[in-house]
Amino acid sequence: NAGVTQTPKFQVLKTGQSMTLQCAQDMNHEYMSWYRQDPGMGLRLIHYSVGAGITDQGEVPNGYNVSRSTTEDFPLRLLSAAPSQTSVYFCASSYGGGKWETQYFGPGTRLLVL
Amino acid sequence: KQEVTQIPAALSVPEGENLVLNCSFTDSAIYNLQWFRQDPGKGLTSLLLIQSSQREQTSGRLNASLDKSSGRSTLYIAASQPGDSATYLCAGRLQSGSEKLVFGKGTKLTVNP
Repeated sequence: NAGVTQTPKFQVLKTGQSMTLQCAQDMNHEYMSWYRQDPGMGLRLIHYSVGAGITDQGEVPNGYNVSRSTTEDFPLRLLSAAPSQTSVYFCASSYGGGKWETQYFGPGTRLLVL
Repeated sequence: KQEVTQIPAALSVPEGENLVLNCSFTDSAIYNLQWFRQDPGKGLTSLLLIQSSQREQTSGRLNASLDKSSGRSTLYIAASQPGDSATYLCAGRLQSGSEKLVFGKGTKLTVNP
């Protein structure tokens, strides 16, 4: 299994541009999440999904959209990039909740917004 | 509001030493707690997951404990090795109705040869 994969690994955007961060997992996990990691802030949940067709907001959802059309894929869209969205973005998945909740993280996407 | 605190922020030890990393949380109504390892420039790797009904979990040289009443979890690393050098994060999930993991800011561990 490839586990959780993320593309691209690194991206530079100009303010106002839009882009999609890709996330895919091949473990047939129902739960998928997007986090951002900033120095001194720890990881914060952006959006999450508990299954195909179901998404919900996390702690910092503003400026981001998600969709979950398949179990495998959970893309994160930046609608109009802002310098405050400069961060490292991690996608994570788990089989379910409770004892199945071991989280598997992707390698991350480093985003710089100028 | 659930907050997760990790102390110390950084720790440097000689190889072979046994060590304890601390994680405290403000809300004892916690559903489970996970410990992760993060290497520089990499994603997080789950080390141990403790359910609220459990007291501890063990994997190799790692042992994690959970005390809900005191709002504390510890990660014990036995016979530390230079390869253990990384940042260790703990994350708690609220009791119910929330899919949100609350992360601590991590402890950066350096094991010196």
